[in-house]
Amino acid sequence: KAGVTQTPRYLIKTRGQQVTLSCSPISGHRSVSWYQQTPGQGLQFLFEYFSETQRNKGNFPGRFSGRQFSNSRSEMNVSTLELGDSALYLCASSLAVGSDIQYFGAGTRLSVL
Amino acid sequence: DQQVKQNSPSLSVQEGRISILNCDYTNSMFDYFLWYKKYPAEGPTFLISISSIKDKNEDGRFTVFLNKSAKHLSLHIVPSQPGDSAVYFCAASASNNDMRFGAGTRLTVKP
Repeated sequence: KAGVTQTPRYLIKTRGQQVTLSCSPISGHRSVSWYQQTPGQGLQFLFEYFSETQRNKGNFPGRFSGRQFSNSRSEMNVSTLELGDSALYLCASSLAVGSDIQYFGAGTRLSVL
Repeated sequence: DQQVKQNSPSLSVQEGRISILNCDYTNSMFDYFLWYKKYPAEGPTFLISISSIKDKNEDGRFTVFLNKSAKHLSLHIVPSQPGDSAVYFCAASASNNDMRFGAGTRLTVKP
């Protein structure tokens, strides 16, 4: 069974641009959560989607948004990029919303110049 | 490919006893290991870490043990408290490379 797939693996953008990251969950998993990992802040929760609806949201500005498609694939969008958005963005899939067991993807490393 | 595995999805212990959470990895290049704790509807928070030059790191009630030859690490919590009930993720990375996470183990500490 294929794991969680995140694309692209690496991305370089400049300030002010916008970016879209993609996450394909494990087949059969309907919940997708997004996290931002930085050396200073650690792992921070962005949002969780289930059945195409955002179910939980972390404390991030509105520049960070996401969506989930009917096939459970999810995208995360960051608009008006700032230098501080440089981070590893991780996606995790699980069978149901709020599930304890989450399977993480390898992440997308975003560098904002 | 699951390079970091937590084979026990759940663990239940009595308050005051020791909790032992286990984690196995396959990549011999991993040299830094972390444990995160996650409460429902929140993101994981960092708990404790260990680098490959050590085999033990202790922080209060939490101790992480690393067995490099077995590619195994464990988190010991003693004494366990009801507030320790959460999901615990182990993670590993190889020098400046991205971190890989296990799937998590739910710990329930019963009063």
